[in-house]
Formats: sequence, structure tokens, C-alpha cells
Amino acid sequence: AQSVTQLGSHVSVSEGALVLLRCNYSSSVPPYLFWYVQYPNQGLQLLLKYTTGATLVKGINGFEAEFKKSETSFHLTKPSAHMSDAAEYFCAVSDLPLTGGGNKLTFGTGTQLKVEL
Amino acid sequence: DTAVSQTPKYLVTQMGNDKSIKCEQNLGHDTMYWYKQDSKKFLKIMFSYNNKELIINETVPNRFSPKSPDKAHLNLHINSLELGDSAVYFCASSQVSGSATDTQYFGPGTRLTVL
Repeated sequence: AQSVTQLGSHVSVSEGALVLLRCNYSSSVPPYLFWYVQYPNQGLQLLLKYTTGATLVKGINGFEAEFKKSETSFHLTKPSAHMSDAAEYFCAVSDLPLTGGGNKLTFGTGTQLKVEL
Repeated sequence: DTAVSQTPKYLVTQMGNDKSIKCEQNLGHDTMYWYKQDSKKFLKIMFSYNNKELIINETVPNRFSPKSPDKAHLNLHINSLELGDSAVYFCASSQVSGSATDTQYFGPGTRLTVL
């Protein structure tokens, strides 16, 4: 069974500082990994995803994540935090496609990012 | 243009009532999903439909009944509402590529409060 662990339910950084949000996964097959962001009172928006190929994935809003198979990790980073980055971030894993179509995302418990002046 | 829309945005109701949440996507996607996000922000899939056919039913109580009149719509009907049903419900959709890499696009959510 696939699962995701996000270390740190709350992360606080200063504006301009590095953002690091941690995600570790467990999957019996090569996983596909996603990072979603949820702004207050909104739905989830895809930041980036890892499928195959290059292990460093660039996403929107300056975020990137690196897939490290040896560490079963997919940590999200951004070199310089902005106030507008304050949101809830979810890591998710998907492995096998579903018979009949679609895929099943298993989400982590989320990390609330706070950005301070 | 809203890609995935849900109505209503807020729903407050009494225990024991029956209510419905509607979802529509204009992305031309084949697959639609319902997720429940609890008070601790944990997201869990409830159902998925592909072209009006049920694909996933994640041991959801049978008080919850999804209905897909066409592939652009997936409504969620809940009978005999309980306090524990209070949550934010998200609809999502994806274009089927035959792999597990499909991006799911989420609606804005419906906050259900059961009193």
C-alpha cells in the first residue's frame, strides 16, 4: 500500500528565506509524486509532479522538488519565500493506474507554511 | 472560466437531513472524483467515476451516493446526515491517459456543517 509522510505540520520562515517542506513516501512500485498547494478557502492546485526521467522537477511559483529514490523522499523547496506562499502544502503519491481509468492519489497530512516579515 | 465548479460553497444543515452537492467540470475530462477533507485538513478519496461508471468506492457509508448523469457532472447525495459528516468536500477531475501520472484538477470545495 502506498503512503506519504510529511514531517512538520507547521513550518515558519522569514520572507526571503529558503523554504523546505519534507515528504517521504512508501510505495511497492515506482511511485509518481505530486505536490499540491491549497490557499485559504480554495481548492488544491498542482505545484509540480514527478513521473519519470529527470529527478529534479520544477514547478510553478519558483518551487521545485527532487525525487530521491534511495531516501524515498520528494522534498519541496523554494530559494526565497514570499508572503504569497503562505498556504497549506500537500504531498501525494500515485502508483498503479486504476482499472477503468483515473488514478488514486494518497495524500499526506499537509504542512502549513507561514511566511513572516 | 471555472474549470471545476461546485455548488453550494457552504452548506449548513441539521442532523438527519438529506443534502446534495453538485460538481461540474468543463475540461472535457473522463474521470471525476470526490474527496473529503476533515477538520485536521486530511484529504481522503471517497469515489471516482470514469465516464459515468464507478471506479473507486473507498468504504464510504452507503448514506453517500454519487451520481453521474454525464461525464461532465458528478453529484454527491448524502442521506441522514450525521455530525461526523461535517467536512469540506472537494470534487476533482482528470483526463485519463492510461497511467498513474494524471493530474487531478480540484474544485473550490463545499464546506458542510451538520448541526
